[in-house]
Amino acid sequence: AQSVTQLGSHVSVSEGALVLLRCNYSSSVPPYLFWYVQYPNQGLQLLLKYTTGATLVKGINGFEAEFKKSETSFHLTKPSAHMSDAAEYFCAVGNPPDDYKLSFGAGTTVTVRA
Amino acid sequence: EAGVTQFPSHSVIEKGQTVTLRCDPISGHDNLYWYRRVMGKEIKFLLHFVKESKQDESGMPNNRFLAERTGGTYSTLKVQPAELEDSGVYFCASSHSHEQFFGPGTRLTVL
Repeated sequence: AQSVTQLGSHVSVSEGALVLLRCNYSSSVPPYLFWYVQYPNQGLQLLLKYTTGATLVKGINGFEAEFKKSETSFHLTKPSAHMSDAAEYFCAVGNPPDDYKLSFGAGTTVTVRA
Repeated sequence: EAGVTQFPSHSVIEKGQTVTLRCDPISGHDNLYWYRRVMGKEIKFLLHFVKESKQDESGMPNNRFLAERTGGTYSTLKVQPAELEDSGVYFCASSHSHEQFFGPGTRLTVL
């Protein structure tokens, strides 16, 4: 069984400030971890993923996340927020190849203040 | 390359009616998934096809939901009869391996 907890359903940041979205997971086997973003009226888009290897992963639009096994965390960061980062962000965990289905967190909506 | 497409984008029906949602995956993707997000809740897995076979349907809520993928290409998800609690956004995703590509979703409203 696996589950995902995202701390904070809403985050507001100033343009140019650090974006930090928290994600903790539980998984009985080594997980694959994902961050997806959903812009208004669009589908889910993959930001980045961790499968194996380097624990710091870089994604699109300047985002990165670090897998910390000891903390069962996969927090998402971006050093400097842009107005276009306003969206809803989802953390997800999967366990391929035996279990391909994803378990999602509840999502975090990010607003960016000018 | 075309992404995952879903039809319709919105559907408003009355309780007791039938609705069929369609998903066209990315060409060549054997894996097709259905997920649902009920308002205010997390996105939940419904089922997983590998080609035309149901690999995992553990997330299907009840027998009012029927998914098919004839020929291993597009998939349909039928809700019959629809209930109020079926309202939400239904997402389809497809994959070749572990990375799933999502469609824009179908927003279903049951009145």
